[in-house]
Amino acid sequence: AQTVTQSQPEMSVQEAETVTLSCTYDTSESDYYLFWYKQPPSRQMILVIRQEAYKQQNATENRFSVNFQKAAKSFSLKISDSQLGDAAMYFCAYRSAYEQGLGSNSGYALNFGKGTSLLVTP
Amino acid sequence: DAGITQSPRHKVTETGTPVTLRCHQTENHRYMYWYRQDPGHGLRLIHYSYGVKDTDKGEVSDGYSVSRSKTEDFLLTLESATSSQTSVYFCAIRPGQTYEQYFGPGTRLTVT
Repeated sequence: AQTVTQSQPEMSVQEAETVTLSCTYDTSESDYYLFWYKQPPSRQMILVIRQEAYKQQNATENRFSVNFQKAAKSFSLKISDSQLGDAAMYFCAYRSAYEQGLGSNSGYALNFGKGTSLLVTP
Repeated sequence: DAGITQSPRHKVTETGTPVTLRCHQTENHRYMYWYRQDPGHGLRLIHYSYGVKDTDKGEVSDGYSVSRSKTEDFLLTLESATSSQTSVYFCAIRPGQTYEQYFGPGTRLTVT
């Protein structure tokens, strides 16, 4: 199965500063999708940003952007101008482009990392 | 709002009892998923469905069964709950022609 690794269990950032969350993944597939989800204390899973592996251009969504390095199998999330409302758990996720992808997660299911807890201080 | 509801939102049950969690969607999406979330593990796939009566196992399917008799409902059943099944359970849908999934609010299940 594809493995998604988030090596930072916790991160901290000051309001208005920039923070980068790391994610690496292991796959032998050439076509796939990557996502960052945010989980605030409400527990709701919220999609932050997605990246298609076939696209070289890094995805951006307002203050959120990614640094996608396909050869290095790296997919980091940069949050600019951090706000108190950004405090949450952040999960990196991988999805095969194929319905019967490699490993136990098929049916276009998501493989998640273990998450990074982001604290935002005033 | 992806129109996904889960019921119940919280449940406490005893070891050995059967438990059914319900996921309901309002937009007739074909793909539906059940995940469980545990500290230190992220979210892991239990089962998924790709249509009415079409289901398959995920990474952590032991001890769980699912059913989908109509498009809008996907049921997750713990035949005989165990303490190791204490977790937060999320349902998700994948809208057609999109890559991402959208999640329900989650159900916190405690097995005592």
